[in-house]
Amino acid sequence: SYVLTQPPSVSVAPGQTARITCGGNNIGSKSVHWYQQKPGQAPVLVVYDDSDRPSGIPERFSGSNSGNTATLTISRVEAGDEADYYCQVWDSSSDPPYVFGTGTKVTVL
Amino acid sequence: QVQLQESGPGLVKPSQTLSLTCTVSGGSISSGGYYWSWIRQHPGKGLEWIGYIYYSGSTYYNPSLKSRVTISVDTSKNQFSLKLSSVTAADTAVYYCARDWCSSTSCYSDYWGQGTLVTVSS
Repeated sequence: SYVLTQPPSVSVAPGQTARITCGGNNIGSKSVHWYQQKPGQAPVLVVYDDSDRPSGIPERFSGSNSGNTATLTISRVEAGDEADYYCQVWDSSSDPPYVFGTGTKVTVL
Repeated sequence: QVQLQESGPGLVKPSQTLSLTCTVSGGSISSGGYYWSWIRQHPGKGLEWIGYIYYSGSTYYNPSLKSRVTISVDTSKNQFSLKLSSVTAADTAVYYCARDWCSSTSCYSDYWGQGTLVTVSS
């Protein structure tokens, strides 16, 4: 099965930029999606198809994908951005095809 | 605004079958264009995709659970359901239902239910 690797944790000061990576073999050839999950809540889609944002998601959330690494960037970090973040891909050649990353805990200092 | 709501027992005995239903409002399952997934999260752990169903009844399951999982759809009630047989403590998790937007090369969950905790214990 396809494996997506994320750093367990990222710490960032308010107002600074957080970058969360998602590593996978040739991930740049796939569409990557990102979810935010706050404690006790369901995940929320924040970026889809590498860099698109659903309606209602602030422009501070952006994504990129190239080579073996996809990145979710959170600009001008706020206290409310503290959460777990998961990347996800659909890989039709993998079983299961629907794969989540290991998750990253973002802590706002 | 599409909303999904899971329902079902919060406690299941070992070796029994876990049964959950997801009720969809604000959109029709039978209108097509979307897949309908079950995803679970073990306590303090990451997300695990269980499988999905299309309104036609076509399914795809995670091979790690395939022998024990059945996902079905009832378009008349705008619901889809999960059955997981022969459960053990390892199946204790929060179970989410979600709506998936899928193309030939991409699939993601754009709406999620709030999740329901299912504990397997005697």
